[in-house]
Amino acid sequence: GAVVSQHPSWVICKSGTSVKIECRSLDFQATTMFWYRQFPKQSLMLMATSNEGSKATYEQGVEKDKFLINHASLTLSTLTVTSAHPEDSSFYICSARQTAPHQNEQFFGPGTRLTVL
Amino acid sequence: GENVGLHLPTLSVQEGDNSIINCAYSNSASDYFIWYKQESGKGPQFIIDIRSNMDKRQGQRVTVLLNKTVKHLSLQIAATQPGDSAVYFCAENPFSGGYNKLIFGAGTRLAVHP
Repeated sequence: GAVVSQHPSWVICKSGTSVKIECRSLDFQATTMFWYRQFPKQSLMLMATSNEGSKATYEQGVEKDKFLINHASLTLSTLTVTSAHPEDSSFYICSARQTAPHQNEQFFGPGTRLTVL
Repeated sequence: GENVGLHLPTLSVQEGDNSIINCAYSNSASDYFIWYKQESGKGPQFIIDIRSNMDKRQGQRVTVLLNKTVKHLSLQIAATQPGDSAVYFCAENPFSGGYNKLIFGAGTRLAVHP
């Protein structure tokens, strides 16, 4: 099956710093990638939909200036958490959707654990 | 509806028993549903999916049932094994006419005891 990777798998940073998380589709092209966050013992909450070559679409309540998304190629999307604070500590998961004709399948990355001190 | 879970319900079963995990979805226009398995510290893993024009679909040891009348989805796992222990999420595609995004349910923790 299609493989999605994330880097880093975990990161610890100081409050006020920015952190970039990468999401890559390794063996397929992804016109659309999705970013989720997950708090302990809770479900995945969709943050934004990232489309290659265009601006991301953010879900209600997600600050676009706080969570910067770039999808510059068909295999890479990045999420930058700017001026991170302890409340941003979470598990961030991306997923990638294949190009047609298999666009109904969505493949998830292994997640990135962010801890903000 | 949207996930508002503050904690995960747990289903405890004995190894070898059958497990049934339930999920209520919110949008009657949803036309595509997926079950995911998530192990601790990992991303969700696809288990099985079903479209709204079906009411049952079977995979290897798993069966998904869809009841559109009451907006209910279930995942049945036959002969549950310790390796099945994980959190299970249902997800719905709330937009018809094409794939857009997934909305995840609250999740259920499955604990399999030997």
